[in-house]
Amino acid sequence: QSALTQPPSASGSPGQSVTISCTGTSSDVGGYNYVSWYQQYPGKAPKLIVYEVGRRPSGVPDRFSGSKSGNTASLTVSGLQAEDEADYYCSSYAGSNNYVFGTGTKVTVL
Amino acid sequence: QVQLVQSGAEVKKPGASVKVSCEASGYTFTNYGINWVRQAPGQGLEWMGWISGYNGNTNYAQKLQGRVTMTTDTSTSTAYMELRSLRTDDTAVYYCTRGTRFWFDPWGQGTLVTVSS
Repeated sequence: QSALTQPPSASGSPGQSVTISCTGTSSDVGGYNYVSWYQQYPGKAPKLIVYEVGRRPSGVPDRFSGSKSGNTASLTVSGLQAEDEADYYCSSYAGSNNYVFGTGTKVTVL
Repeated sequence: QVQLVQSGAEVKKPGASVKVSCEASGYTFTNYGINWVRQAPGQGLEWMGWISGYNGNTNYAQKLQGRVTMTTDTSTSTAYMELRSLRTDDTAVYYCTRGTRFWFDPWGQGTLVTVSS
Protein backbone atom coordinates (compact mmCIF):
# COMPACT_ATOMS: atom_id res chain seq x y z
CA GLN A 1 0.00 0.00 0.00
CA SER A 2 1.60 3.26 -1.11
CA ALA A 3 1.27 6.44 0.93
CA LEU A 4 -1.23 9.03 -0.24
CA THR A 5 0.44 12.01 -1.91
CA GLN A 6 0.34 15.42 -0.22
CA PRO A 7 2.36 18.56 -1.02
CA PRO A 8 5.31 18.87 1.40
CA SER A 9 4.41 22.42 2.34
CA ALA A 10 1.73 25.10 2.13
CA SER A 11 1.59 28.62 3.46
CA GLY A 12 -0.59 31.66 3.82
CA SER A 13 -0.88 34.93 5.68
CA PRO A 14 -3.18 35.34 8.67
CA GLY A 15 -6.79 35.53 7.51
CA GLN A 16 -6.10 33.86 4.19
CA SER A 17 -7.09 30.34 3.15
CA VAL A 18 -4.87 27.39 2.38
CA THR A 19 -5.91 24.13 0.73
CA ILE A 20 -4.02 20.85 1.04
CA SER A 21 -4.56 18.04 -1.44
CA CYS A 22 -4.37 14.31 -0.74
CA THR A 23 -4.18 12.06 -3.81
CA GLY A 24 -4.68 8.33 -3.73
CA THR A 25 -6.25 5.71 -5.94
CA SER A 26 -9.62 4.11 -6.57
CA SER A 27 -8.63 1.49 -3.97
CA ASP A 28 -8.48 4.00 -1.15
CA VAL A 29 -9.50 7.68 -1.44
CA GLY A 30 -11.65 7.16 -4.52
CA GLY A 31 -13.26 3.99 -3.27
CA TYR A 32 -14.56 5.07 0.12
CA ASN A 33 -15.92 8.19 1.81
CA TYR A 34 -13.66 7.47 4.77
CA VAL A 35 -10.98 10.13 4.43
CA SER A 36 -9.88 11.73 7.68
CA TRP A 37 -7.44 14.54 8.48
CA TYR A 38 -5.10 14.99 11.44
CA GLN A 39 -3.26 17.99 12.84
CA GLN A 40 0.08 17.43 14.54
CA TYR A 41 2.21 19.91 16.44
CA PRO A 42 5.94 19.17 16.88
CA GLY A 43 6.52 16.56 19.57
CA LYS A 44 2.80 15.95 20.05
CA ALA A 45 0.38 13.22 19.06
CA PRO A 46 -1.85 13.79 16.03
CA LYS A 47 -5.37 15.12 16.58
CA LEU A 48 -8.43 14.30 14.47
CA ILE A 49 -9.86 17.40 12.76
CA VAL A 50 -11.99 15.96 9.93
CA TYR A 51 -13.56 12.54 9.39
CA GLU A 52 -15.73 10.95 6.72
CA VAL A 53 -14.37 13.43 4.14
CA GLY A 54 -16.01 16.56 5.50
CA ARG A 55 -17.34 16.07 9.02
CA ARG A 56 -15.78 17.82 12.02
CA PRO A 57 -15.54 16.46 15.58
CA SER A 58 -17.06 18.69 18.22
CA GLY A 59 -14.66 21.40 19.28
CA VAL A 60 -12.91 21.70 15.91
CA PRO A 61 -13.42 25.18 14.43
CA ASP A 62 -15.51 25.43 11.28
CA ARG A 63 -12.48 27.08 9.64
CA PHE A 64 -11.44 23.52 8.83
CA SER A 65 -13.36 21.90 6.00
CA GLY A 66 -12.85 18.80 3.89
CA SER A 67 -14.01 17.63 0.50
CA LYS A 68 -13.30 14.94 -2.09
CA SER A 69 -13.41 14.60 -5.85
CA GLY A 70 -12.48 11.31 -7.44
CA ASN A 71 -9.19 10.04 -6.05
CA THR A 72 -8.24 13.38 -4.44
CA ALA A 73 -9.36 14.71 -1.08
CA SER A 74 -8.73 18.24 0.14
CA LEU A 75 -8.52 20.07 3.44
CA THR A 76 -9.14 23.82 3.46
CA VAL A 77 -8.17 26.02 6.38
CA SER A 78 -9.98 29.34 6.12
CA GLY A 79 -9.13 32.46 8.07
CA LEU A 80 -5.64 31.21 8.89
CA GLN A 81 -4.48 31.79 12.43
CA ALA A 82 -1.01 31.49 13.93
CA GLU A 83 -2.14 28.41 15.87
CA ASP A 84 -2.87 26.60 12.60
CA GLU A 85 0.85 26.28 11.91
CA ALA A 86 1.38 22.53 12.15
CA ASP A 87 1.77 19.34 10.13
CA TYR A 88 -1.36 17.91 8.53
CA TYR A 89 -1.91 14.30 7.47
CA CYS A 90 -4.73 12.71 5.53
CA SER A 91 -5.72 9.09 5.96
CA SER A 92 -8.02 6.80 4.02
CA TYR A 93 -9.61 3.44 4.55
CA ALA A 94 -8.25 1.03 1.95
CA GLY A 95 -10.55 -1.94 2.40
CA SER A 96 -10.25 -5.16 4.44
CA ASN A 97 -9.34 -3.31 7.65
CA ASN A 98 -6.37 -1.62 5.97
CA TYR A 99 -5.54 2.07 6.20
CA VAL A 100 -3.07 4.40 4.56
CA PHE A 101 -1.74 7.82 5.56
CA GLY A 102 -0.66 10.73 3.43
CA THR A 103 2.92 11.93 3.22
CA GLY A 104 2.13 14.99 5.32
CA THR A 105 2.03 18.76 4.70
CA LYS A 106 3.71 21.41 6.80
CA VAL A 107 1.53 24.52 6.97
CA THR A 108 3.32 27.80 7.67
CA VAL A 109 1.51 30.96 8.67
CA LEU A 110 3.51 33.83 7.20
CA GLN B 1 -12.88 11.45 29.12
CA VAL B 2 -11.54 8.94 26.64
CA GLN B 3 -7.83 8.46 27.19
CA LEU B 4 -5.06 6.18 25.99
CA VAL B 5 -1.91 6.01 28.11
CA GLN B 6 1.17 4.29 26.71
CA SER B 7 4.22 2.77 28.35
CA GLY B 8 7.54 4.56 28.53
CA ALA B 9 10.45 4.94 26.16
CA GLU B 10 12.57 1.92 25.25
CA VAL B 11 16.11 1.43 23.98
CA LYS B 12 16.81 -1.85 22.22
CA LYS B 13 19.65 -3.46 20.31
CA PRO B 14 19.20 -4.68 16.72
CA GLY B 15 17.62 -8.12 16.66
CA ALA B 16 15.81 -7.67 19.97
CA SER B 17 12.06 -7.34 20.57
CA VAL B 18 9.98 -4.58 22.12
CA LYS B 19 6.50 -4.66 23.60
CA VAL B 20 4.55 -1.40 24.01
CA SER B 21 1.39 -1.16 26.07
CA CYS B 22 -1.63 1.11 25.70
CA GLU B 23 -4.12 1.38 28.58
CA ALA B 24 -7.56 2.69 27.63
CA SER B 25 -10.02 4.45 29.89
CA GLY B 26 -13.25 6.42 29.60
CA TYR B 27 -15.05 4.05 27.22
CA THR B 28 -16.06 0.42 26.81
CA PHE B 29 -12.87 -1.21 25.54
CA THR B 30 -14.63 -4.07 23.76
CA ASN B 31 -16.72 -1.70 21.63
CA TYR B 32 -13.76 -0.39 19.64
CA GLY B 33 -10.58 -1.53 17.98
CA ILE B 34 -7.07 -0.21 18.57
CA ASN B 35 -4.78 0.78 15.75
CA TRP B 36 -1.02 1.21 16.00
CA VAL B 37 0.75 3.93 14.01
CA ARG B 38 4.45 4.78 14.00
CA GLN B 39 6.44 7.84 13.02
CA ALA B 40 10.17 7.70 12.32
CA PRO B 41 12.17 10.83 13.23
CA GLY B 42 11.26 13.67 10.88
CA GLN B 43 9.02 11.40 8.84
CA GLY B 44 5.29 10.85 8.28
CA LEU B 45 2.77 8.56 9.87
CA GLU B 46 2.73 4.85 9.02
CA TRP B 47 -0.23 2.61 9.82
CA MET B 48 0.99 -0.65 11.39
CA GLY B 49 -2.18 -2.60 12.04
CA TRP B 50 -5.44 -3.04 13.90
CA ILE B 51 -6.79 -5.26 16.64
CA SER B 52 -10.42 -5.68 17.62
CA GLY B 53 -11.15 -4.90 21.25
CA TYR B 54 -14.10 -7.29 21.00
CA ASN B 55 -12.56 -10.55 19.83
CA GLY B 56 -8.86 -9.92 19.25
CA ASN B 57 -9.03 -10.24 15.48
CA THR B 58 -6.07 -8.55 13.85
CA ASN B 59 -4.93 -7.14 10.53
CA TYR B 60 -1.31 -6.10 10.04
CA ALA B 61 0.31 -3.93 7.41
CA GLN B 62 1.88 -6.18 4.80
CA LYS B 63 5.43 -4.87 5.34
CA LEU B 64 5.32 -5.85 9.03
CA GLN B 65 3.70 -9.27 8.63
CA GLY B 66 5.70 -11.88 10.54
CA ARG B 67 7.43 -9.35 12.81
CA VAL B 68 4.51 -7.72 14.63
CA THR B 69 1.94 -9.13 17.04
CA MET B 70 -0.92 -7.14 18.55
CA THR B 71 -2.84 -8.42 21.56
CA THR B 72 -5.33 -7.17 24.11
CA ASP B 73 -6.17 -7.84 27.75
CA THR B 74 -9.83 -6.96 28.16
CA SER B 75 -9.63 -7.40 31.95
CA THR B 76 -7.36 -4.34 32.13
CA SER B 77 -8.51 -2.56 28.92
CA THR B 78 -4.95 -2.69 27.64
CA ALA B 79 -3.63 -3.26 24.15
CA TYR B 80 -0.11 -4.42 23.37
CA MET B 81 2.10 -4.21 20.30
CA GLU B 82 5.19 -6.43 20.06
CA LEU B 83 7.74 -5.90 17.29
CA ARG B 84 10.47 -8.50 16.84
CA SER B 85 13.82 -8.67 15.02
CA LEU B 86 14.26 -4.94 15.49
CA ARG B 87 16.30 -2.97 12.96
CA THR B 88 17.70 0.53 13.23
CA ASP B 89 15.02 1.77 10.86
CA ASP B 90 12.37 0.69 13.39
CA THR B 91 13.45 3.66 15.50
CA ALA B 92 10.28 5.71 15.80
CA VAL B 93 7.55 7.03 18.05
CA TYR B 94 4.84 4.40 18.29
CA TYR B 95 1.25 5.54 18.85
CA CYS B 96 -1.87 3.64 19.74
CA THR B 97 -5.15 5.17 18.67
CA ARG B 98 -8.76 4.11 19.06
CA GLY B 99 -10.37 2.96 15.86
CA THR B 100 -13.66 4.84 15.74
CA ARG B 101 -15.30 3.27 12.72
CA PHE B 102 -12.95 4.44 9.94
CA TRP B 103 -10.94 7.12 11.67
CA PHE B 104 -8.56 7.41 14.60
CA ASP B 105 -9.53 9.25 17.78
CA PRO B 106 -8.10 9.78 20.30
CA TRP B 107 -4.37 9.00 20.26
CA GLY B 108 -2.02 7.93 23.00
CA GLN B 109 0.89 10.16 23.93
CA GLY B 110 3.38 8.06 21.97
CA THR B 111 6.26 5.79 22.96
CA LEU B 112 9.76 6.39 21.60
CA VAL B 113 11.53 3.18 20.66
CA THR B 114 15.21 3.61 19.84
CA VAL B 115 17.07 0.77 18.15
CA SER B 116 20.81 1.18 18.37
CA SER B 117 23.87 -0.97 18.85
